Parts: sequence; C-alpha cells; structure tokens
Amino acid sequence: DSGVTQTPKHLITATGQRVTLRCSPRSGDLSVYWYQQSLDQGLQFLIQYYNGEERAKGNILERFSAQQFPDLHSELNLSSLELGDSALYFCASSSRDFSYNEQFFGPGTRLTVL
Amino acid sequence: AQKVTQAQTEISVVEKEDVTLDCVYETRDTTYYLFWYKQPPSGELVFLIRRNSFDEQNEISGRYSWNFQKSTSSFNFTITASQVVDSAVYFCALREETSGSRLTFGEGTQLTVNP
Repeated sequence: DSGVTQTPKHLITATGQRVTLRCSPRSGDLSVYWYQQSLDQGLQFLIQYYNGEERAKGNILERFSAQQFPDLHSELNLSSLELGDSALYFCASSSRDFSYNEQFFGPGTRLTVL
Repeated sequence: AQKVTQAQTEISVVEKEDVTLDCVYETRDTTYYLFWYKQPPSGELVFLIRRNSFDEQNEISGRYSWNFQKSTSSFNFTITASQVVDSAVYFCALREETSGSRLTFGEGTQLTVNP
C-alpha cells in the first residue's frame, strides 16, 4: 500500500458526461501528479500540483482540469467525455518538487465511457 | 526530447529462470533520474528503484538487480530465479532535471513467469 488513495475505483459513464476523480496523497506529501494509462497512448503525464499551485502540465486536454485543495487532496475533472477517454487514471504523490523524488502511485480509477 | 524505449513487449519464462528487462533512454540533460515501476495484475504501480545520472553503481536488492550504463544509455533490470509472483508489467521511466517533475514512461514489458 503506497499510502495514496483514489476514489472511485471504477467509474462507468456515458459520452458527453462529466466526472470527478479524487486523490488523497500520502501524509506529508505536497506534490500531486495525474497520469493517464490507455492502450494506445501508454502512461502519460497529465498535470502536477505542488502545495495548491499548478506546477507542470503535460498532455492534458482542455476538457480536463484539476485542482489541489488546502488539505492537499486533488481532483481531476473530465468533461464532455468521449469514448477515447476510457483509461486508467493514476494519481501519484511525492514529498517535494524535486526531480529525484520518487513518485508513489495510488491504485488508480478505471474510467469506462460508453 | 526525452524518450524511453522498452523494446521487449512480452517475455515469458519458466519459474527459476533469470530474466533481464531492457530499457534504453534518450535525454539531452546531464542530470536525470531513472526509475523502474512494477504493475501487477491488480493494476497499481509499485515503485522499485531510482537511480540518478551521476551514480552508475549497480544495485542489488534480493533477487532484483539493476545495471545502469551511461555509455549505452541503458538501465536494465534483472530478476534472478524468477517466481510466479514476479508476473507483471514492468515500466522504466525517466525524469529530466530541466523538464520538471514529470515522469516519461516506456511502453512497458509484460513478464509472465510460468510454473
């Protein structure tokens, strides 16, 4: 158990809908990262927050947004969902915003868009 | 641009065999960090090891060992005396000093250890 929690574990929804994925980092970790794992794109970095501030952006679609709250939990919002958004979404956390810090991953949220 | 290549898509071995998973990376940075993660059938990503670009010393942890060679831009992972529980997808990842905190992952190698 990495100490990173994600809810829900599974999510099934329809095209055009909006969903929110939630992540709680390990106790004491200030950085939260979101990754998407899909069959065609592999594991891709989406976005990072550090202590409430957006720190880095990757291949995140404009339909997706995220935020990190004062208690350090984070939410990833996915809107106008398309079939291609079906994927496993991981949240990871690390203690600092340094390159050498390993990231610890949560169990993931499997999103299925029908 | 950074890139990680895991050329072996799938590997199948019999229990107790040794197996090496290859990882080749590309980066222009002189400071970078390499990682290996394991994704068992349950789906979570488990951190295995981190190595920085200044430390080419090989590392051994139980049945696991890692060979880092800057000259060939490789960071290979060997499992000695494989066990069925080692069956998983293994990912190599790169993090560059100048690219912030993002991890760039390889495509992964599916390892199946048969009894």
